Amino acid sequence: SQKIEQNSEALNIQEGKTATLTCNYTNYSPAYLQWYRQDPGRGPVFLLLIRENEKEKRKERLKVTFDTTLKQSLFHITASQPADSATYLCAPTDSWGKLQFGAGTQVVVTP
Amino acid sequence: ETGVTQTPRHLVMGMTNKKSLKCEQHLGHNAMYWYKQSAKKPLELMFVYSLEERVENNSVPSRFSPECPNSSHLFLHLHTLQPEDSALYLCASSQDTYNEKLFFGSGTQLSVL
Repeated sequence: SQKIEQNSEALNIQEGKTATLTCNYTNYSPAYLQWYRQDPGRGPVFLLLIRENEKEKRKERLKVTFDTTLKQSLFHITASQPADSATYLCAPTDSWGKLQFGAGTQVVVTP
Repeated sequence: ETGVTQTPRHLVMGMTNKKSLKCEQHLGHNAMYWYKQSAKKPLELMFVYSLEERVENNSVPSRFSPECPNSSHLFLHLHTLQPEDSALYLCASSQDTYNEKLFFGSGTQLSVL
């Protein structure tokens, strides 16, 4: 069955450092992969989408990579700030547009 | 403000109660979704509507009954729920069914006693 794995342990990081989150998937061949941010008690907010033929995508301080051979996406937050503290969800998406969410990784940025 | 509004934000109900969750989207989207999010678990897709027609029902118990009177409004009617149904219920919309980007509401935190 399809499986999506994100680090279940919270990532604690110092302000100014780069946070790197991992999303691994198995038994799945997504056409693209989405990343969302979720704050406590709120719905997820779309951040970035990367397609299978793209190696890297950037948006301001965010960078996403997608390696279809490793079946993995990496999500980087550079120059992290306390306001970046949230849970980040990856969502591999098939060619029909159906997506599945990972359980998310919590990021805590301390001053 | 994401353009998707859910009410109520919090709901406490007994197992014999009947209640409804409401979702309204102001984005002109054609597809709407109900998701369930339990603590530390991935979002689970419950129902999908496209232009008021249900296109997917992911083996959800009949005690959850969706209704989509028009493309802007979505309801989730609840009756005789179980304590394990306590969760955050999220509504989302997208331009078309299974379009690339989902827009979520803030959710209804439901507690079943």
